[in-house]
Amino acid sequence: KAGVTQTPRYLIKTRGQQVTLSCSPISGHRSVSWYQQTPGQGLQFLFEYFSETQRNKGNFPGRFSGRQFSNSRSEMNVSTLELGDSALYLCASSLLGGIAYEQFFGPGTRLTVL
Amino acid sequence: AQKVTQAQTEISVVEKEDVTLDCVYETRDTTYYLFWYKQPPSGELVFLIRRNSFDEQNEISGRYSWNFQKSTSSFNFTITASQVVDSAVYFCALQTGANNLFFGTGTRLTVIP
Repeated sequence: KAGVTQTPRYLIKTRGQQVTLSCSPISGHRSVSWYQQTPGQGLQFLFEYFSETQRNKGNFPGRFSGRQFSNSRSEMNVSTLELGDSALYLCASSLLGGIAYEQFFGPGTRLTVL
Repeated sequence: AQKVTQAQTEISVVEKEDVTLDCVYETRDTTYYLFWYKQPPSGELVFLIRRNSFDEQNEISGRYSWNFQKSTSSFNFTITASQVVDSAVYFCALQTGANNLFFGTGTRLTVIP
C-alpha cells in the first residue's frame, strides 16, 4: 500500500505570494490532517478534513486554509506569505480520524519564504 | 488543556550506551493515546509506538522499550545499546478526543560512534 505523498517536497516563495500544498492520503483513508513544524513553535496542528469538511481547526490565522476533494486528497493554501510561514508542512492521513485511528505522516513539504 | 513536555532538548551518548528520553503529559481526558515518533534529517515522522490510557503495560520492541506510568503522567522511551542510526529528533505526542496530536518540543539524540 502506498504511503502518504506530499507535493511539492520543496518550495521557495517570496513574501506576499500565496502557495498551495498537496497531500494524497493512503488509499481508503478519509481523514487528512495538516501540521506546521518550525524551530520556534515546534509541531502544531493546523486543521483536519474528513469527507470534504473541515472537522477540526488549530489556532492559525485565516491566511491558512484548506480543502479536501471527493477522493480524499487535500490541499492547503497559505495566502499573503510572511517570513514566519517558512516551515515544514506535514500531512497525516487516518482511516476515519478521531482517537481510535492512527495517523500516518507524509514526508512533508519544506516551504521557504524569502 | 493538553500539554506534552520533553524537558531534554538534546542528548548525546556514545554508541552502545543506553539512553532514556523523558515525556510528561497533561490532560483531563480519561481516554487518550500517547505516541512516540522519530524524525530523521529527512523530515518524515516515523511512527514508533502508540499506547492508550487504559494500557499501562510496558512494551519492548527490539532495542526499544517504553515505560508508561499514569501515576506520574509519564511515558518514557529507552533505547538500549544505542547505534549511530538512532540519531534523530524524537517526539512524544498526545491525542485526546479530537483528532489532532499535541506534540512535545522534541529531544535531539546524537549517538557518537
